[in-house]
Amino acid sequence: GENVEQHPSTLSVQEGDSAVIKCTYSDSASNYFPWYKQELGKRPQLIIDIRSNVGEKKDQRIAVTLNKTAKHFSLHITETQPEDSAVYFCAASPRYNAGNMLTFGGGTRLMVKP
Amino acid sequence: EAGVAQSPRYKIIEKRQSVAFWCNPISGHATLYWYQQILGQGPKLLIQFQNNGVVDDSQLPKDRFSAERLKGVDSTLKIQPAKLEDSAVYLCASSLDRRGGGYEQYFGPGTRLTVT
Repeated sequence: GENVEQHPSTLSVQEGDSAVIKCTYSDSASNYFPWYKQELGKRPQLIIDIRSNVGEKKDQRIAVTLNKTAKHFSLHITETQPEDSAVYFCAASPRYNAGNMLTFGGGTRLMVKP
Repeated sequence: EAGVAQSPRYKIIEKRQSVAFWCNPISGHATLYWYQQILGQGPKLLIQFQNNGVVDDSQLPKDRFSAERLKGVDSTLKIQPAKLEDSAVYLCASSLDRRGGGYEQYFGPGTRLTVT
């Protein structure tokens, strides 16, 4: 089955700096890669996703890059703000006809210091 | 639109007792998922339903866990008997899954289970 590794487990940055979180996956059949943000005690919420037919996707201050050859993908947050502080999870899934079977990474706790 | 609903939000039981969790997905979402999230870890998929059929339950500990989605809408997850290691947040999610899109999984608030 799929295995997703995520690094670093914790990341501390100053407000305004950039943050980068990296994930690797094992199953070459995976073709859907979402990123979720989970604030303390709250539900995970999708912030951005990418499919294997593109190498990069951007949405305002966040961007995701995908390297299918190397089987890794990364989340980039620019101009970080205190409200970006949360745990971020990457995930990978082969896109079956009946839904996505997501395998999640272990999470990265991002702390943005004002 | 209303989000994914779950109940109860919190449950404390003793080991060897039974417990059940309920989930109501977003209206019209065909696919429903149950995840287990142990403190400090990412969610782990337990079971996936497409309408009222099971798509995948390979990570469901079937000796003690069971789940059903009888009418293709609401779902229940049961643990019987519970073990200490079952202490976790149980998250329900749903997705639309239509041709050409609908990948996003929307999560409910979760049920925090503590087994003592």
